[in-house]
Amino acid sequence: EAGVAQSPRYKIIEKRQSVAFWCNPISGHATLYWYQQILGQGPKLLIQFQNNGVVDDSQLPKDRFSAERLKGVDSTLKIQPAKLEDSAVYLCASSSPRMNTEAFFGQGTRLTVV
Amino acid sequence: GDSVTQMEGPVTLSEEAFLTINCTYTATGYPSLFWYVQYPGEGLQLLLKATKADDKGSNKGFEATYRKETTSFHLEKGSVQVSDSAVYFCALRQRAQKLVFGQGTRLTINP
Repeated sequence: EAGVAQSPRYKIIEKRQSVAFWCNPISGHATLYWYQQILGQGPKLLIQFQNNGVVDDSQLPKDRFSAERLKGVDSTLKIQPAKLEDSAVYLCASSSPRMNTEAFFGQGTRLTVV
Repeated sequence: GDSVTQMEGPVTLSEEAFLTINCTYTATGYPSLFWYVQYPGEGLQLLLKATKADDKGSNKGFEATYRKETTSFHLEKGSVQVSDSAVYFCALRQRAQKLVFGQGTRLTINP
């Protein structure tokens, strides 16, 4: 079974520029997550989708971050404009909506804002 | 809200030593508990899980028991190897909601 695919793997941008990340979840997984992992910390949820509806975006900085999940499959996360403190690894994960199941993670996109 | 606390790292051990990484949680209800591992340059991988009190998860020689009375899910391994060097994350999940992670514990095993 194919895993969660993310691109790009690495991105370097200047502050105030914009950037977008893409995620393709495991086939059949209705739940998709975007997490932010700052160096030395655990992943922090940015947004959770159930199919193409938002379940939880309480920690998404909505003034600069946006995410969408078209047709309940692929998802994109955008940052505009980027700040230095956005430097982190952005992880996409997917899971079955069944209770007690684990989430499967992609390899992440390492973003450096200079 | 729900939270997970892990022992401070980094942890450095010699090969074949006994490993314990402590994890405690705060949650309403009865969450599922997970240990994820992140090897250098790789994504997060599920190591083991437990879905109810007194369940023991195990994989690759690692074990953790869901202790409701102490709200803990400590990770143990009897004899570590150099290949176990990684960052370990404890996490919880309520029903079909988000995974909540601890801060991670970096483990280094010296030959």
